[in-house]
Amino acid sequence: GQNIDQPTEMTATEGAIVQINCTYQTSGFNGLFWYQQHAGEAPTFLSYNVLDGLEEKGRFSSFLSRSKGYSYLLLKELQMKDSASYLCAVTDSWGKLQFGAGTQVVVTP
Amino acid sequence: DAGVIQSPRHEVTEMGQEVTLRCKPISGHDYLFWYRQTMMRGLELLIYFNNNVPIDDSGMPEDRFSAKMPNASFSTLKIQPSEPRDSAVYFCASRLGGGGSEQYFGPGTRLTVT
Repeated sequence: GQNIDQPTEMTATEGAIVQINCTYQTSGFNGLFWYQQHAGEAPTFLSYNVLDGLEEKGRFSSFLSRSKGYSYLLLKELQMKDSASYLCAVTDSWGKLQFGAGTQVVVTP
Repeated sequence: DAGVIQSPRHEVTEMGQEVTLRCKPISGHDYLFWYRQTMMRGLELLIYFNNNVPIDDSGMPEDRFSAKMPNASFSTLKIQPSEPRDSAVYFCASRLGGGGSEQYFGPGTRLTVT
């Protein structure tokens, strides 16, 4: 089985930086995904990490440490539209995803 | 390109009735997933298929739930009989290829059982 932990909610100001941490305990780990989900909508893909290190995509970056069972998603230059739930998900070798409960990010003016 | 298509988008039914949710994956994708999302339990995988064959149904809550994929373009999730605790948003997702590939989610079906 897999246990995935991430904070419930984070609040930050427009233009700021927010870091969402995710820790996991798992067997058969084959990578970690981050998805964004706006209220009432479907999750959409943000990033995938399978090797240790940082992956950068524009304003969003994702980091993975396999030895520590730890990942974070970094959101820079926050915009109001970034207010959403951010889901950490661990995958096994079959590509079966297990999602964390999600972190609700609230961006304030 | 059309994304994953789900129907209906909203379903309201009475306890004891049969409910059928439908999904059309992205053309060419060989994996299809059914998820359920609630406030209490988050996003849970119910079942997934590879090349129309069910691979893992360990997430299906009980015998009242069944899923089929008769061909590469269509899948159904059926609940019979439905109960109020089945109220949730049900997502279908599809993927091309291996575990590191992105899953594309449909818009979801919001099911309310009264």
